Amino acid sequence: DAKTTQPPSMDCAEGRAANLPCNHSTISGNEYVYWYRQIHSQGPQYIIHGLKNNETNEMASLIITEDRKSSTLILPHATLRDTAVYYCIVGDNYGQNFVFGPGTRLSVLP
Amino acid sequence: DTGVSQDPRHKITKRGQNVTFRCDPISEHNRLYWYRQTLGQGPEFLTYFQNEAQLEKSRLLSDRFSAERPKGSFSTLEIQRTEQGDSAMYLCASSRGTSYTFGSGTRLTVV
Repeated sequence: DAKTTQPPSMDCAEGRAANLPCNHSTISGNEYVYWYRQIHSQGPQYIIHGLKNNETNEMASLIITEDRKSSTLILPHATLRDTAVYYCIVGDNYGQNFVFGPGTRLSVLP
Repeated sequence: DTGVSQDPRHKITKRGQNVTFRCDPISEHNRLYWYRQTLGQGPEFLTYFQNEAQLEKSRLLSDRFSAERPKGSFSTLEIQRTEQGDSAMYLCASSRGTSYTFGSGTRLTVV
């Protein structure tokens, strides 16, 4: 079973920030939080990952709470092309298999 | 193209037939994964290779499924005596470190 819970769907206006929450209350000390997204008919695409510090890259920012029991993925200026299913996953740093939940379906609206 | 390639993109087969899918990972990646995804669900882990060694198999991988990765390069996933319940997207991913790169998948339809 997935170790994360996410809302099944969210809407966001184009140009606004999209904030996608994830709960992972049973995360272990050595487990990272990973985010992937999947656009229709394509394989999942890596977005970002982090252990306990906040992370930022060209795609998104990841905010992890101090107790590491939840996190938020932020897309700062959502575009229509960001419409996708977003998966939050916890896993170790050794490339072991990931357990995907059903994710959050983000719809960016014009 | 330096991504993960999967072939074919689509496969339609009759129930009871055997099918084989191929995955070409990113060349410097030593780990290769197979996942299965059904409509509306996240991908489900099937099996994992490190170089040529198959290190883990999910209980989803029944006796009709077999995967190989000869010489630690490309991998094949074969399904024997296909059933309608095998209809799904089969995804391959490769990694060297912390993040996976997925291919676009092979969509299997068993009729």
